[in-house]
Amino acid sequence: TQLLEQSPQFLSIQEGENLTVYCNSSSVFSSLQWYRQEPGEGPVLLVTVVTGGEVKKLKRLTFQFGDARKDSSLHITAAQPGDTGLYLCAGGKGTASKLTFGTGTRLQVTL
Amino acid sequence: EAQVTQNPRYLITVTGKKLTVTCSQNMNHEYMSWYRQDPGLGLRQIYYSMNVEVTDKGDVPEGYKVSRKEKRNFPLILESPSPNQTSLYFCASSWGQGGQPQHFGDGTRLSIL
Repeated sequence: TQLLEQSPQFLSIQEGENLTVYCNSSSVFSSLQWYRQEPGEGPVLLVTVVTGGEVKKLKRLTFQFGDARKDSSLHITAAQPGDTGLYLCAGGKGTASKLTFGTGTRLQVTL
Repeated sequence: EAQVTQNPRYLITVTGKKLTVTCSQNMNHEYMSWYRQDPGLGLRQIYYSMNVEVTDKGDVPEGYKVSRKEKRNFPLILESPSPNQTSLYFCASSWGQGGQPQHFGDGTRLSIL
């Protein structure tokens, strides 16, 4: 059972457009992490959010953790080709033995 | 530089021929883990280790073995590989428990013919 659903699965947009990626679950997580993975590389951590309602910004990327800590969103403003990649959300549960990963959103930004 | 190093990066082999994928981290992390990544299935955990000599099964452990004799190393062993183990494999490490942010290696692409 996939506990973290990401949408959309694929997104192809032009440079300059805005977009939002969603990560939803029926479970409560103590933390929610976002990673970006580029071809030939492993996922790289972008941000961790831990408080319900928390908003974090990383340049043109805005991350939000839902009030109930069951969902999260990633908003990219004025996308650039360098934003192209696979975006993964992952939920952590305190002293749990692992992260639960979403299936990912593959983003392509073209000129 | 903090890193997780996997070897080999690519391997094509045949069914039944034992292989080992090595993983080493230089961050003194307690927690290490192996994942496989398959299209449409995302990242699935194979095995994890909370510390030296402490390992446990993840979601898809069948056909794999691991060991943790030293803190920095966590090899993944396929005793008798089969074609359904063809996949992209990632090693990861973190401080503390498994719910913490993970540092990933660059992956090992295995093809079992």
